[in-house]
Amino acid sequence: QVTLKESGPVLVKPTETLTLTCTVSAFSLSDPGMGVSWIRQPPGKALEWLAHIFSNDAKSYTTSLKSRLTISKDTSKSQVVLTVTNVGPVDTATYYCARKRGDLEAFDSWGQGTLVTVSS
Amino acid sequence: EIVLTQSPATLSLSPGGTATLSCRTSQNVDIYLAWYHQKAGQAPRLLIFEASKRATGIPARFSGSGSGTDFTLTISSLEPEDFGVYYCQLRAGWDFTFGPGTKVDVK
Repeated sequence: QVTLKESGPVLVKPTETLTLTCTVSAFSLSDPGMGVSWIRQPPGKALEWLAHIFSNDAKSYTTSLKSRLTISKDTSKSQVVLTVTNVGPVDTATYYCARKRGDLEAFDSWGQGTLVTVSS
Repeated sequence: EIVLTQSPATLSLSPGGTATLSCRTSQNVDIYLAWYHQKAGQAPRLLIFEASKRATGIPARFSGSGSGTDFTLTISSLEPEDFGVYYCQLRAGWDFTFGPGTKVDVK
């Protein structure tokens, strides 16, 4: 059974760097066409796609946050990491990681999400 | 950048009714549009991909249609577990985009 699980801090102070980890199981991050995205959702608001990493290690970022985001993966640990620099209250959100298979232009498996609050 | 527009913003229906949700894209995306359902406090769940193909385990009461710039998600015989927010999503080049969502609530 494919699973994804997000982990990271619950509370982050403004201007700090947020680091989130997505640990996956039952598939490999190096499988051809496989990829993982980070998507966030502020309380009561819509989903916002942030970043994606492909099996060949190519990366893409949402334009509005590109300068603050870094996505990376450790295939041996089955982990995908997202860092968000210089956080502010607007970054308070539930952060999800989600899998995209090579044959789908959609996210077929999602983690449960982790709520991150930015506050001093 | 391709923009997604969903309508209506809110749809109030009774169990057993039929929901018709719309998603429009600002550019032609062929059939590469997906739909998700999100219940309160849960992660989104993939319902439909490539405009009309049901994901694994999705009941037949969910159907998708459309191509180009206009897409529709139809939910027939609404069950209590079908209420929540529905999002459309596409991939454009290297990027991905979600629509603003349609909330389906109990009338």
